[in-house]
Amino acid sequence: DQQVKQNSPSLSVQEGRISILNCDYTNSMFDYFLWYKKYPAEGPTFLISISSIKDKNEDGRFTVFLNKSAKHLSLHIVPSQPGDSAVYFCAASGDNDMRFGAGTRLTVKP
Amino acid sequence: DAGITQSPRYKITETGRQVTLMCHQTWSHSYMFWYRQDLGHGLRLIYYSAAADITDKGEVPDGYVVSRSKTENFPLTLESATRSQTSVYFCASSESLGQASQTSYEQYFGPGTRLTVT
Repeated sequence: DQQVKQNSPSLSVQEGRISILNCDYTNSMFDYFLWYKKYPAEGPTFLISISSIKDKNEDGRFTVFLNKSAKHLSLHIVPSQPGDSAVYFCAASGDNDMRFGAGTRLTVKP
Repeated sequence: DAGITQSPRYKITETGRQVTLMCHQTWSHSYMFWYRQDLGHGLRLIYYSAAADITDKGEVPDGYVVSRSKTENFPLTLESATRSQTSVYFCASSESLGQASQTSYEQYFGPGTRLTVT
């Protein structure tokens, strides 16, 4: 059972525009959420996180929004840059469990 | 060098062979993790460890064995490799497992080991 779902395997956007990556979860015990970025032949690296006591967290061009009632979070990248092209994984944790989504491959075109 | 390292980076083995993937971290993080990454499944947790001599199963533990005699090392052994274990394996470490607090506890990942079982 996939407790964390990223329903879009890929996303393509133009440089300078907004990228929106979505993530849904099913386990109501999850209370901390993270986004990781992965380049080819490298391990994932932490990007941004949000606790369930917040609904928004911002770090430069990256903002994560959490809608607890809908069990949905999203990552906004504004403005998108070609260097943002990577696979983005959503992760959810809580109750001594952590699950990752399948990832979304973002391509930012110059 | 500081950080988390994995060895080997690439490995080809035959079905039925035993193979061990190594993971070493220099941060003295309490928690260490092993994941496998497969297309369409993302990262799936195999085993994790909260401290030396403490390990626990993750989502997909069958066919794998782990040990943690020292805080800095967390080897993963495939006792009898199968083709379904062909994957990219990532080791990670973190200070904690996760709490609803303002403290960030992100995991730090190694570069991965690409394992092919023929």
